[in-house]
Amino acid sequence: GEDVEQSLFLSVREGDSSVINCTYTDSSSTYLYWYKQEPGAGLQLLTYIFSNMDMKQDQRLTVLLNKKDKHLSLRIADTQTGDSAIYFCAERYGGYNKLIFGAGTRLAVHP
Amino acid sequence: DAGVIQSPRHEVTEMGQEVTLRCKPISGHDYLFWYRQTMMRGLELLIYFNNNVPIDDSGMPEDRFSAKMPNASFSTLKIQPSEPRDSAVYFCASSSTGQVKNIQYFGAGTRLSVL
Repeated sequence: GEDVEQSLFLSVREGDSSVINCTYTDSSSTYLYWYKQEPGAGLQLLTYIFSNMDMKQDQRLTVLLNKKDKHLSLRIADTQTGDSAIYFCAERYGGYNKLIFGAGTRLAVHP
Repeated sequence: DAGVIQSPRHEVTEMGQEVTLRCKPISGHDYLFWYRQTMMRGLELLIYFNNNVPIDDSGMPEDRFSAKMPNASFSTLKIQPSEPRDSAVYFCASSSTGQVKNIQYFGAGTRLSVL
């Protein structure tokens, strides 16, 4: 069945780059997404990538997609304390409108 | 648009009571999703609707849970009777078929505590 896996925790120093990794199973996924959840809030879309792309850059965010290995990563350059949050990877399930979410990676940024 | 609106933001109730969570999707969106988030199980999809019709309710944990969408601008998730293990944050999200990217927009959630 469909599954999205990601590591649960990442700790980085302020100013360093953060890399959050994700693997997914549905090779027919057309879109893959990164959502951010701050404490006490809902999930907010950070960025997404279409499956025919290898990379997408948006200011401090870089998304890399390796379709062969079904691996997705999110790189945050110059990580700030405001980036501390839980980051969810998600894939669109087949031709349906539902998304399959990973368990979330908790990013802790320390001085 | 104000985004997805959920109410109440917090709900504290006693075991056995009925709980109703409410959601107003973004105007024009034709998909509505209910999720539950707990530390143990992460984010779980409970049920989703398309054009007010339930499409997949396989994530609804038991018969105590029910969801309705009487019109395009309102949905409810009801738990009757509630149990302590139902304590969680419940999210509603909506999306639009007309948007190819299929982005789901989430509400702020309802934090439910069942004592």
